[in-house]
Amino acid sequence: DSGVTQTPKHLITATGQRVTLRCSPRSGDLSVYWYQQSLDQGLQFLIQYYNGEERAKGNILERFSAQQFPDLHSELNLSSLELGDSALYFCASSVGDQGEQYFGPGTRLTVT
Amino acid sequence: GQQLNQSPQSMFIQEGEDVSMNCTSSSIFNTWLWYKQDPGEGPVLLIALYKAGELTSNGRLTAQFGITRKDSFLNISASIPSDVGIYFCAGPYFSGSARQLTFGSGTQLTVLP
Repeated sequence: DSGVTQTPKHLITATGQRVTLRCSPRSGDLSVYWYQQSLDQGLQFLIQYYNGEERAKGNILERFSAQQFPDLHSELNLSSLELGDSALYFCASSVGDQGEQYFGPGTRLTVT
Repeated sequence: GQQLNQSPQSMFIQEGEDVSMNCTSSSIFNTWLWYKQDPGEGPVLLIALYKAGELTSNGRLTAQFGITRKDSFLNISASIPSDVGIYFCAGPYFSGSARQLTFGSGTQLTVLP
């Protein structure tokens, strides 16, 4: 158990819908990272927050957004969902903004 | 971001055999990380390497930081069924002032009884 929690574990929704994925980092970790893992894409970095502020952006679509709250949990919002958004979404956390990252169990999103 | 080339893409081995996989980059890294991912689970950090030439063990796992700083190796000795999974290498790069991780494409390990 990495100490990073993610909810929900599974999510099934229809195209065009909007969903919110939630992540709680390990106790004491200030950084939260979001990744997308598709079958043919490997682990793709989406976005990082450090202590409530956006720190870095990766290959994140404009339809996707995230935020980190004062209690350091983070939410990833996915809107106008498309079939191709079906994937595993992982959250990871680290102590600072440059430490080793510890991953949560993931949310499996299926868009039908 | 930086590209990491991981090989082999997949391996089928007999229980009890030793396994070796590697990761290479065209760029120098100052840290190498190795993760294992079980089906449907998140990647778990196995070993972190911080210095060129460093050799670090974690049980039956041993990883080495290549002296050129452009490669790393992971060895698993006396494999057992629970070693099945995908093994990823990862290394940090800077995007602006932010340190990010780039991941290799993974090595899928299957252990046959």
